Amino acid sequence: NAGVTQTPKFRVLKTGQSMTLLCAQDMNHEYMYWYRQDPGMGLRLIHYSVGEGTTAKGEVPDGYNVSRLKKQNFLLGLESAAPSQTSVYFCASSYGLASSEEQYFGPGTRLTVT
Amino acid sequence: SQQGEEDPQALSIQEGENATMNCSYKTSINNLQWYRQNSGRGLVHLILIRSNEREKHSGRLRVTLDTSKKSSSLLITASRAADTASYFCATDAPGRLAFGKGNQVVVIP
Repeated sequence: NAGVTQTPKFRVLKTGQSMTLLCAQDMNHEYMYWYRQDPGMGLRLIHYSVGEGTTAKGEVPDGYNVSRLKKQNFLLGLESAAPSQTSVYFCASSYGLASSEEQYFGPGTRLTVT
Repeated sequence: SQQGEEDPQALSIQEGENATMNCSYKTSINNLQWYRQNSGRGLVHLILIRSNEREKHSGRLRVTLDTSKKSSSLLITASRAADTASYFCATDAPGRLAFGKGNQVVVIP
């Protein structure tokens, strides 16, 4: 099992450009999450999904969109990147509800917006 | 939203010593989890403790939970260089986990 994988690992964007981050999991988990991690801020939830075809907003959803067309994939999109979106992005998944189940994390995507 | 807060923020210890870090939270919880993050990697789940549990062990890890004080502690015994990492507590919030800002531990060989 590969667990949770993320592509790409690194990306540099110019302000205003768009991109999509892909997260894939092979554990048949229902729940998937996108976080961003900034120095001194811990992890903040951007969006999450409780099943195929469903998405919901987290703590910091502005400027991001997500889609969960297939159970194993969770995509995070930036339509018009801004320097404030420079961060490390982590995808995670869990079998059940996040609050009562451990989450499995991907290796992260380091995004720089200039 | 409630959020775990770890204390102290950074800790340097010699290999073989014990490392203790604390986490406090503001509102009632059902569960509290601890995660480890090695430099440049994703988070790895260490242990989950439920609100009706006071202590839990996993290998060299010991977690305590005091719901009356709204706090938890993580003890790593006989630390190793490989324990060098950031440690996060996470408390349950509606539909998600709320992570603290992390506690950096450096184990000096």
